[in-house]
Amino acid sequence: DGGITQSPKYLFRKEGQNVTLSCEQNLNHDAMYWYRQDPGQGLRLIYYSQIVNDFQKGDIAEGYSVSREKKESFPLTVTSAQKNPTAFYLCASSPGGAITGELFFGEGSRLTVL
Amino acid sequence: GQSLEQPSEVTAVEGAIVQINCTYQTSGFYGLSWYQQHDGGAPTFLSYNGLDGLEETGRFSSFLSRSDSYGYLLLQELQMKDSASYFCAVNDKIIFGKGTRLHILP
Repeated sequence: DGGITQSPKYLFRKEGQNVTLSCEQNLNHDAMYWYRQDPGQGLRLIYYSQIVNDFQKGDIAEGYSVSREKKESFPLTVTSAQKNPTAFYLCASSPGGAITGELFFGEGSRLTVL
Repeated sequence: GQSLEQPSEVTAVEGAIVQINCTYQTSGFYGLSWYQQHDGGAPTFLSYNGLDGLEETGRFSSFLSRSDSYGYLLLQELQMKDSASYFCAVNDKIIFGKGTRLHILP
């Protein structure tokens, strides 16, 4: 079945460690997005990519990095520079980005820093 | 900058109708989307308005007025399973509002 797969679902990290969250889609979508969600809050955009080998910073990109080497994959690295990384991370893809308005989300990765 | 405003919480009775409003300020506006998110889950797409007017999908309808920078989501015949958070999103970089928590009373 087509969809978006995020892994791991749960992740624990010690302070000072970098972690990479995986996001893979087989929907053949051009655009991909990473959002962060804190309890009781909305989704805040971290990075987005509208085409392979290109990505743009969102509103809260500091302390995060991404790559888009393949259309199917958009991994997110949470670096030690991110001051408060404990959150729910959501990856999404879209066939037309802003023009179609429809995002397809993965099930999310819940990161806890110990 | 970009910003979206929506009420933090709304309460309604099962079987009733509820409207969730969203006002926005943004550049490069394409349209307004609405998403539903149940606790612990991922958001799911409900509707998209690229043009002014009303879009209807079953029990859910969404409205957009570009001149007023305003939209709303209308939920009819409320069911207990509609208890969730609802987010409006602006389609430039696809920025989300903070969400409206819908409580449904039996």
